[in-house]
Amino acid sequence: QQQVKQSPQSLIVQKGGISIINCAYENTAFDYFPWYQQFPGKGPALLIAIRPDVSEKKEGRFTISFNKSAKQFSLHIMDSQPGDSATYFCAASRRGGGSQGNLIFGKGTKLSVKP
Amino acid sequence: ETGVTQSPTHLIKTRGQQVTLRCSSQSGHNTVSWYQQALGQGPQFIFQYYREEENGRGNFPPRFSGLQFPNYSSELNVNALELDDSALYLCASSRQGNKYGYTFGSGTRLTVV
Repeated sequence: QQQVKQSPQSLIVQKGGISIINCAYENTAFDYFPWYQQFPGKGPALLIAIRPDVSEKKEGRFTISFNKSAKQFSLHIMDSQPGDSATYFCAASRRGGGSQGNLIFGKGTKLSVKP
Repeated sequence: ETGVTQSPTHLIKTRGQQVTLRCSSQSGHNTVSWYQQALGQGPQFIFQYYREEENGRGNFPPRFSGLQFPNYSSELNVNALELDDSALYLCASSRQGNKYGYTFGSGTRLTVV
């Protein structure tokens, strides 16, 4: 059972455009929702994260929108640049440590930003 | 501040063999978590080590085992390798199991033939 569903699988955006990636979760016990960026041959790197007590968080060109009632959250990349071309993963975890607090990842979205 | 380093970067093994992957945690981090990332998929949690003890495990069989050493470095051991074990194995370190501060290494690409 996939607990975090991510869409789309791939995304092509023109330079300067807005990239939007969506995730939906099932477990209401999740209390932490990060987004990771992964370049080929590298491990995932934390991009931005949100807790369920806020509806939006912005860091530079990256914004997370969170809808607790719909159990959905999304990543918006404003003014997308070719250097943003990477695979993006949403994730979620429950309160606590060990296996409870481990990150559960979506399947990823491969973003290509065309010059 | 050094990041998380993993070795080797690539490895090819034959089905049925055993493999050991290594991870050095980021300076100041005492918790190590291991994830398996199959091609085209998101990482999946294998287990976590804190204070040299396993501190949580995902849905992986016992042939996946690990160790953590006093310097907080860690090993992932996989016995009786299967073709489906082919994946990128990621190590992530954090402070005292703080999931908010995960730092991932670049991973070890394991191919089982």
